[in-house]
Amino acid sequence: LAKTTQPISMDSYEGQEVNITCSHNNIATNDYITWYQQFPSQGPRFIIQGYKTKVTNEVASLFIPADRKSSTLSLPRVSLSDTAVYYCLVGSGAGSYQLTFGKGTKLSVIP
Amino acid sequence: NAGVTQTPKFQVLKTGQSMTLQCAQDMNHEYMSWYRQDPGMGLRLIHYSVGAGITDQGEVPNGYNVSRSTTEDFPLRLLSAAPSQTSVYFCASSYSSASGRLTNEQFFGPGTRLTVL
Repeated sequence: LAKTTQPISMDSYEGQEVNITCSHNNIATNDYITWYQQFPSQGPRFIIQGYKTKVTNEVASLFIPADRKSSTLSLPRVSLSDTAVYYCLVGSGAGSYQLTFGKGTKLSVIP
Repeated sequence: NAGVTQTPKFQVLKTGQSMTLQCAQDMNHEYMSWYRQDPGMGLRLIHYSVGAGITDQGEVPNGYNVSRSTTEDFPLRLLSAAPSQTSVYFCASSYSSASGRLTNEQFFGPGTRLTVL
């Protein structure tokens, strides 16, 4: 399973765009990149998944460069409710029976 | 749909006691799993199941048993509770895409906070 590295914490003001970068240098050819969000006292929630280039949904965008050794989760115009821990995961294939959650990035949105 | 439900929400045990954490899903997902989350840590996989009657071990299976007699239910049993098992336990389920491959979109329950004294 590919190991991921992401910042432990980030602060941002309300209304700003937030970019969280994840490194995954030993990503395999058939690995997908998946991001989850976890609020305090709740289970993680799937945000977005991608394989290459750019993926966008109603919540976030995911940018993946050509070498796929990193990825960036972009949250547009964050609000206080986006304060959470964000996990970057790299799974063995489009679906993995053993997703590995690291410590994640704790995003604090400041008024 | 209720999604993934877990009971109880909170539980306190004494060392050596046994108990079962319940997990149910009403989405007809074939894949279900149990994770534990310790303070300041990510989630670690305990056991998982790819369908009724099929279970397998994850990263930290010792001290836990599972069974999957139906698609809906995936209980986690603590055989003899130890303080090291104090944690928050999450159950999750997932599905296969139209191509038949499991997706990475897992649906998590609200968690059970377990304290072992």
